[in-house]
Amino acid sequence: GNSVTQMEGPVTLSEEAFLTINCTYTATGYPSLFWYVQYPGEGLQLLLKATKADDKGSNKGFEATYRKETTSFHLEKGSVQVSDSAVYFCALRGYGNNRLAFGKGNQVVVIP
Amino acid sequence: EAQVTQNPRYLITVTGKKLTVTCSQNMNHEYMSWYRQDPGLGLRQIYYSMNVEVTDKGDVPEGYKVSRKEKRNFPLILESPSPNQTSLYFCASSLMGAHEAFFGQGTRLTVV
Repeated sequence: GNSVTQMEGPVTLSEEAFLTINCTYTATGYPSLFWYVQYPGEGLQLLLKATKADDKGSNKGFEATYRKETTSFHLEKGSVQVSDSAVYFCALRGYGNNRLAFGKGNQVVVIP
Repeated sequence: EAQVTQNPRYLITVTGKKLTVTCSQNMNHEYMSWYRQDPGLGLRQIYYSMNVEVTDKGDVPEGYKVSRKEKRNFPLILESPSPNQTSLYFCASSLMGAHEAFFGQGTRLTVV
């Protein structure tokens, strides 16, 4: 079945540092890939998406590229802010259905 | 405003006392689903519905029921809650075939 693997553990970094969160997936066919963000006390919000190989999703300074050859969709931001502190989930949706499979999430803490 | 509304936001109950968590969306979405979020496990789908009167099990359906009598509402029912159902629950909705899912703000349930 479809599955998503995110790197283990929380991520703590200083303001203006470079952020990378790794995400790899297993899926049949041609899934769509997503990053969702969960701010404290809130539900999940779509951060960015990519629907086919080599697509780059981007939003709010975050980027991720759909790499079919490495089955990866790593999230990056060049200069994080304290307001980026949140939990980030990688997710995929299989081709032809609405069901989302989520990774376990990564808590990101940005310190001033 | 387009939104998914869950109630209640917080609930403490005792083992075996039936409860219902409501979910309502105002976007005319066909697809609705329930997830539970647990530390270290990410989000796991409990049940989903592709339209009125069409529901199916997700990955962790044991101990839960749902119904979809109207398009906008998708309540989650715990007939006999147990402590292992203590969790953070999210309702989500989307158009069929759409890329973005919209999430409610979550319901934190504690079963003692």
